[in-house]
Amino acid sequence: AQSVTQPDIHITVSEGASLELRCNYSYGATPYLFWYVQSPGQGLQLLLKYFSGDTLVQGIKGFEAEFKRSQSSFNLRKPSVHWSDAAEYFCAVGPNDYKLSFGAGTTVTVRA
Amino acid sequence: GAVVSQHPSRVICKSGTSVKIECRSLDFQATTMFWYRQFPKQSLMLMATSNEGSKATYEQGVEKDKFLINHASLTLSTLTVTSAHPEDSSFYICSAFPQRPNNEQFFGPGTRLTVL
Repeated sequence: AQSVTQPDIHITVSEGASLELRCNYSYGATPYLFWYVQSPGQGLQLLLKYFSGDTLVQGIKGFEAEFKRSQSSFNLRKPSVHWSDAAEYFCAVGPNDYKLSFGAGTTVTVRA
Repeated sequence: GAVVSQHPSRVICKSGTSVKIECRSLDFQATTMFWYRQFPKQSLMLMATSNEGSKATYEQGVEKDKFLINHASLTLSTLTVTSAHPEDSSFYICSAFPQRPNNEQFFGPGTRLTVL
C-alpha cells in the first residue's frame, strides 16, 4: 500500500525567508512523487514531480524538492518565499502519473 | 494551459435528494478523468476512475450505486451523489488526463457539497 505523511499541518513563514515542507512516503517500489499547490478557489497545480534521474528536482515558481530514498522523503523547499506562496501544499505518491495517494496537506501562511 | 472546470462550485441540498456535479476539460480532450473526495484537513481520497465510453472503476470502499459516474464525452464527466445524506457532505474534486499524453493530470477547483 502507498501512503504519504505531511507532518506539518500549518507553517508560518516571513516573506523573504526560506521554506521547507516535509513529506514522507511509504511505497513498495520506486515511486512517482509529486508536489501540488492549491490556492483558494483554484484547482491543484503541479509544482514538480520525480520518478527517476537526478534526485534534486526543480519546479515552477522557484520551488525544488529532493528525493531521499534512504529516508523515504521528498521535501519541498524554496529559498525565499513571496506573499503569493501562501496556499495549501500537497505531497503525493503513486505507481504512475495518475493513481496518486495524497498527504493531508500543509497550509503555508506568509507574514509581511 | 489546460483548464478543468467544475459546476457547481457549491451546492446545498436536502437529505434524500440527488446532486449532480459536472467536470469539464475546457481546452483539451480527456479520455480519463478522476474523482476525489476531500474531508476537512484531510488528504484527497481517490473515489473512482472515469473512462470515456466505458464504466467507471471504483476504489475499494466506494459505493458505485451511491456515486454514479458518467463520462459521456471526451470533455465531460459527471458525478451524481444519489440519495444524499449528511455524511456525504464533502469537497469533491475532479481531475482530467489529456488524450495526448503529457503525463500530467489537471485538477478542477472542486465542489463543496453540504447535505442538510
